[in-house]
Amino acid sequence: NAGVTQTPKFQVLKTGQSMTLQCAQDMNHNSMYWYRQDPGMGLRLIYYSASEGTTDKGEVPNGYNVSRLNKREFSLRLESAAPSQTSVYFCASSVLLSTEAFFGQGTRLTVV
Amino acid sequence: DQQVKQNSPSLSVQEGRISILNCDYTNSMFDYFLWYKKYPAEGPTFLISISSIKDKNEDGRFTVFLNKSAKHLSLHIVPSQPGDSAVYFCAASEGGGSNYKLTFGKGTLLTVNP
Repeated sequence: NAGVTQTPKFQVLKTGQSMTLQCAQDMNHNSMYWYRQDPGMGLRLIYYSASEGTTDKGEVPNGYNVSRLNKREFSLRLESAAPSQTSVYFCASSVLLSTEAFFGQGTRLTVV
Repeated sequence: DQQVKQNSPSLSVQEGRISILNCDYTNSMFDYFLWYKKYPAEGPTFLISISSIKDKNEDGRFTVFLNKSAKHLSLHIVPSQPGDSAVYFCAASEGGGSNYKLTFGKGTLLTVNP
C-alpha cells in the first residue's frame, strides 16, 4: 500500500533556483496538504487543497505555489529558492478537511 | 502566537511504566484533537483523536483525555514500550470548510528506556 508518495526524498538547491516537489496519494482522499517542519517549530501548514480544483493558503505560504493537478496529485513549487526554505517538507492527505491526515515520508530540502 | 503548546520538549520513562504527554491550547474554537507519532526520517503517523464532545477516547494502550474547561489534553501510554520512543505531536482543528485550521504543537520527544 503506497499511501502518500513524495518525490524527491532529498534535494539541494542553490539560492534562486526553482523546483517542484511532487506528491501523489492513492487513497482516493479529497483533501491534500503541504507542511514544513523546522527544528523547534513543529509542523506548519503551507498550502492545502480541500478538494480537486481548489487551493488555499495556510500559515506560511510566502515563497510557494501549489497545483492540485487532479484528485491524486498535489505539487509544491518554489519559484526562487531561499536559504530560509531549507526544511523538511511533508505532503499529507485526508478524506475530508480536518479529519486525520496521512503523511508522506518527507522531502529534505537544503538551499545553499 | 502559539495556539497549541507542548511545553515539555522531552520525556523519559521506563519500559512498562505510564507515559503522559501533555498539550494545552488557547483557541476555544478547536473542536477536534489529534495525536501523531513521528519516527526519525519518516512522516508523522496518526495515533488517536478525540472530538470536543467527549472527554476520553481509548485505543489499546493509548488513551487521550480532554479537559475543555482547562483547554488541556493528554495522551497516556500504558504500558510504555521501547518502540514507543518517538516524537509526539498534538494537533487541533476547528473544522473544515473555509475555516479549516489544523494546528500542530512543537512536539515532545518520548524516550522509553528498556
